[in-house]
Amino acid sequence: GAVVSQHPSRVICKSGTSVKIECRSLDFQATTMFWYRQFPKQSLMLMATSNEGSKATYEQGVEKDKFLINHASLTLSTLTVTSAHPEDSSFYICSGRNSYEQYFGPGTRLTVT
Amino acid sequence: QKEVEQDPGPLSVPEGAIVSLNCTYSNSAFQYFMWYRQYSRKGPELLMYTYSSGNKEDGRFTAQVDKSSKYISLFIRDSQPSDSATYLCAMSGGGDSWGKLQFGAGTQVVVTP
Repeated sequence: GAVVSQHPSRVICKSGTSVKIECRSLDFQATTMFWYRQFPKQSLMLMATSNEGSKATYEQGVEKDKFLINHASLTLSTLTVTSAHPEDSSFYICSGRNSYEQYFGPGTRLTVT
Repeated sequence: QKEVEQDPGPLSVPEGAIVSLNCTYSNSAFQYFMWYRQYSRKGPELLMYTYSSGNKEDGRFTAQVDKSSKYISLFIRDSQPSDSATYLCAMSGGGDSWGKLQFGAGTQVVVTP
């Protein structure tokens, strides 16, 4: 089946720095990509929806200036956590979909020290 | 009130028993219902996908959707220790909302040998 990859799988950064997470759909074209965040022992919470070539739509309570999303092509979306703080430490998971299918990436664990 | 309610467990069953999981929801616009399995520190893996009401069976897994009661279930027959994981229900509406998943909290399942 289709595969969605994420890079890096885990990252540790210092407070105040920015971190970019890549999400790639490897064998299908993802017209829409979703970014989720999962805190320990909690479920996945949708952060934003991005359509290729368009601005992302953010869920209530998610700061668009802090979580920059770019969906420049049908196979690549990036999430940049700007000026990261320890409370941004979480598991970030992307999923890509087209008209018929949706697949999740393996996740990126971000730790902000 | 959360849109999707799921008992977080943990649910412990002996090997060979039937695992019974369920979720309730409040949004009548949900049309697509999924069950995902998530191992620790991994992305979710799709187990079952159902559109609207009805039953679906795939090997040891049976998914049921009752839209009139806003209640979905997943049954795992002949459970194995390898089934120990967190099981997440998820659902979405149709059209542009398809794929924009609302997740339950996840139920931790432990199958003991």
